[in-house]
Amino acid sequence: DQQVKQNSPSLSVQEGRISILNCDYTNSMFDYFLWYKKYPAEGPTFLISISSIKDKNEDGRFTVFLNKSAKHLSLHIVPSQPGDSAVYFCAASADGGYQKVTFGTGTKLQVIP
Amino acid sequence: NAGVMQNPRHLVRRRGQEARLRCSPMKGHSHVYWYRQLPEEGLKFMVYLQKENIIDESGMPKERFSAEFPKEGPSILRIQQVVRGDSAAYFCASSPRWTGLGEQFFGPGTRLTVL
Repeated sequence: DQQVKQNSPSLSVQEGRISILNCDYTNSMFDYFLWYKKYPAEGPTFLISISSIKDKNEDGRFTVFLNKSAKHLSLHIVPSQPGDSAVYFCAASADGGYQKVTFGTGTKLQVIP
Repeated sequence: NAGVMQNPRHLVRRRGQEARLRCSPMKGHSHVYWYRQLPEEGLKFMVYLQKENIIDESGMPKERFSAEFPKEGPSILRIQQVVRGDSAAYFCASSPRWTGLGEQFFGPGTRLTVL
C-alpha cells in the first residue's frame, strides 16, 4: 500500500520556467513532509520541508505548498535551471519521526536548456 | 570532508549466499540509518543504530537481516541466504544525533542484485 504517491514518473520543463512536482498522501497521521533531490549515483539530498501547521514554506527558488484537506503537496521550482535535473522524492512522517517515514517513488525532472 | 561512504556500490550474489553491505558515516556522526528501495517503490526505513546499539529495527524483515554498528569500523547490514526479492538499492544515512529526516545525510547506496 503506497501511502505517498508521486503519480508523474517524469517531467520536462524549459529552463527559466516553473517546475511543479506533485505528491499525494493517504495517511492522515502524517504531519511532516519533505522533499529530497537525488542525482544519479548519489544518495538523496534534503531540499525543503514543511510542517502540517503551515501551508507554505519557501527557500530561495524552492517553495513547497501543503493542502491538508486534499492530502496533497507540491514543490515549485522557479526559475528552473539545468542543474535542477534530478529525481525528486517527497517523503512524509508522523511526529517528524524517522521510524515512520514513507517515501514516494520519485519524479524525474529534466530541465531543458 | 568526506560524506557518507557505502561499499560496495554494486553487489551481485546468487540465491542462498550472504550479502554484506558497509556504511561509514560522516566524521563526527554516531547515528546511522538504513533504508531500502525496492524496484518501483520509495525508500523504506529499516533500522536505526547508534554506536554498539540498535535503537529501532522495526523496519527490518524478521528473518535473514541483521545490522550492527560496532565501536570501531563501519556499520554493516548483513543479509543471509539472499533471495531474488532482496534485490534493491540499500541506502544508509548518518546524523550527529537523533534527528528528524532533514538532518540525515545519505550515502550513494549499494545496489544489490540477486541472481
